[in-house]
Amino acid sequence: NAGVTQTPKFRVLKTGQSMTLLCAQDMNHEYMYWYRQDPGMGLRLIHYSVGEGTTAKGEVPDGYNVSRLKKQNFLLGLESAAPSQTSVYFCASKPQLTGTSEAKNIQYFGAGTRLSVL
Amino acid sequence: ELKVEQNPLFLSMQEGKNYTIYCNYSTTSDRLYWYRQDPGKSLESLFVLLSNGAVKQEGRLMASLDTKARLSTLHITAAVHDLSATYFCAVAESGGSNYKLTFGKGTLLTVNP
Repeated sequence: NAGVTQTPKFRVLKTGQSMTLLCAQDMNHEYMYWYRQDPGMGLRLIHYSVGEGTTAKGEVPDGYNVSRLKKQNFLLGLESAAPSQTSVYFCASKPQLTGTSEAKNIQYFGAGTRLSVL
Repeated sequence: ELKVEQNPLFLSMQEGKNYTIYCNYSTTSDRLYWYRQDPGKSLESLFVLLSNGAVKQEGRLMASLDTKARLSTLHITAAVHDLSATYFCAVAESGGSNYKLTFGKGTLLTVNP
């Protein structure tokens, strides 16, 4: 059981280039999230999805786009990379559980993608 | 807007000592989570706290939640080097948005011999 898999693990871009980060989960989770982690800032939510075909903006969505065409995949796109987007990007997923389950909001994280924009 | 504040942000302690990390949040919540992150690694869920007065313990770590004070604590007992990591608290807002978490900035814990 692989859990949450992110590709690539590392990437270096030049300013203005575009790229797509892929997140895949094999746990049949409804919810998926993209975060960025910067030193001293914790994790900040970029975009999220509450189900296949849905996306929504998080705290810092500017400069990013996302798509959730299949339930197991959540793609994060950078159309024109900027040095301010140098960061570590984490994907997470969460089950849609009902009732009072303690696991209702536990998010399971991928290993992260380190992106440098020069 | 939900705000989550952790303190301290940096904590250097000796093995065998006790210490507490604090997590304050600004709006009503009944879901609070603690995560651990090792350097260069992903985040691992440690504790889930779901009600006022909830207490969870795992080894040398104990987490508690006071929803009236909007405060959670992560207490470290007799620290060992293996506990060195960054610890994050995360809070879910009550109501319809409870599938989103707001994270604190993290506490970098270094346990020295």
